[in-house]
Amino acid sequence: KAGVTQTPRYLIKTRGQQVTLSCSPISGHRSVSWYQQTPGQGLQFLFEYFSETQRNKGNFPGRFSGRQFSNSRSEMNVSTLELGDSALYLCASSLEGTANTEAFFGQGTRLTVV
Amino acid sequence: DAKTTQPNSMESNEEEPVHLPCNHSTISGTDYIHWYRQLPSQGPEYVIHGLTSNVNNRMASLAIAEDRKSSTLILHRATLRDAAVYYCILFSGTYKYIFGTGTRLKVLA
Repeated sequence: KAGVTQTPRYLIKTRGQQVTLSCSPISGHRSVSWYQQTPGQGLQFLFEYFSETQRNKGNFPGRFSGRQFSNSRSEMNVSTLELGDSALYLCASSLEGTANTEAFFGQGTRLTVV
Repeated sequence: DAKTTQPNSMESNEEEPVHLPCNHSTISGTDYIHWYRQLPSQGPEYVIHGLTSNVNNRMASLAIAEDRKSSTLILHRATLRDAAVYYCILFSGTYKYIFGTGTRLKVLA
């Protein structure tokens, strides 16, 4: 079956702009979570959605937001981009996001802010 | 959030077993122990997870200490394709993984 699909794979934006990233989870998976990976901070949790509801949020400013649609596809948005937002953004899907299930990660979207 | 401690790096010879340790002394009763690995330029890949008993799957084995304060991921025969960063994570009911810095495994031919 198809894996987790993230689009686009690469993106270059200018400071101050906004960006929307997309994640299509594995069919049947209802939990989607997002992570930011940078060389300095490693992998950091952004937020998690289940059945269109945000269940948890990491320690990121309000410029980072997300949503989930009824088909479980998810988007995350970053407004007023800063240079420090340059990172690999990863999404993960799982059946229900609970502790006894595995998560499947996409290959990520590489965002560069110039 | 409970934390894990792993060595920064380890080396292994190809076709030999590898034991990757993880300390999690603040683990709570509901925390599952998950292992993921990340190959260069890819997203993390699930390896194995468990709660109390040792677990085996086609990729690896997970040995969990009786007091659950530590665990060991065992790769039975390391190959060059196993070279990656391995993350040991405690996952409870908060719907998020807290990644540490992981162990960078180098496999020598």
